[in-house]
Amino acid sequence: GAVVSQHPSRVICKSGTSVKIECRSLDFQATTMFWYRQFPKQSLMLMATSNEGSKATYEQGVEKDKFLINHASLTLSTLTVTSAHPEDSSFYICSASILAGAYEQYFGPGTRLTVT
Amino acid sequence: GENVEQHPSTLSVQEGDSAVIKCTYSDSASNYFPWYKQELGKGPQLIIDIRSNVGEKKDQRIAVTLNKTAKHFSLHITETQPEDSAVYFCAASGAGNMLTFGGGTRLMVKP
Repeated sequence: GAVVSQHPSRVICKSGTSVKIECRSLDFQATTMFWYRQFPKQSLMLMATSNEGSKATYEQGVEKDKFLINHASLTLSTLTVTSAHPEDSSFYICSASILAGAYEQYFGPGTRLTVT
Repeated sequence: GENVEQHPSTLSVQEGDSAVIKCTYSDSASNYFPWYKQELGKGPQLIIDIRSNVGEKKDQRIAVTLNKTAKHFSLHITETQPEDSAVYFCAASGAGNMLTFGGGTRLMVKP
């Protein structure tokens, strides 16, 4: 149980284009979803927290106009990287919590974004 | 905000030996401490967690201890196997239920 999927697993895009990453909870309804970014050999850094039907809360230093997050349903959240640049190349990972206020987060398999 | 320090950054052990990874945290309000295993190119997998009302928790070869007074917690892996080789992350969660991760430990188990 508590399976989270991400699509695509890998994506290569050209500089200046936008790319959308989907995060789905497959066997549960996720009240809260989180988006992380992980650079090579580094830890996970929280980008934003999203609750279904409301605006995402972004961490300090994360541009909300560049990283658009939509949590339209209890099983789907999307992250759109707009006007991507090579420095946006990273491993993007989402996670989901089953209950509001629950501590446990279940992570997706990640999406490797490469911007050329 | 919360700050989590993790040591060591790399750990090499012989198969069958034990491995210990330690973390300290700064926010005394934190009350949930999970450990994740991340294999190359994959997302983190929860392997064990502990809450602040418990001092120790064990699951087969894996155990976690928590010292709230000293604000540190540790992961213990006994009888290590080559498939235990991965990067391990500790994390702490408090207000807002957000996780703050440690820097990670690359564990290498030599056969």
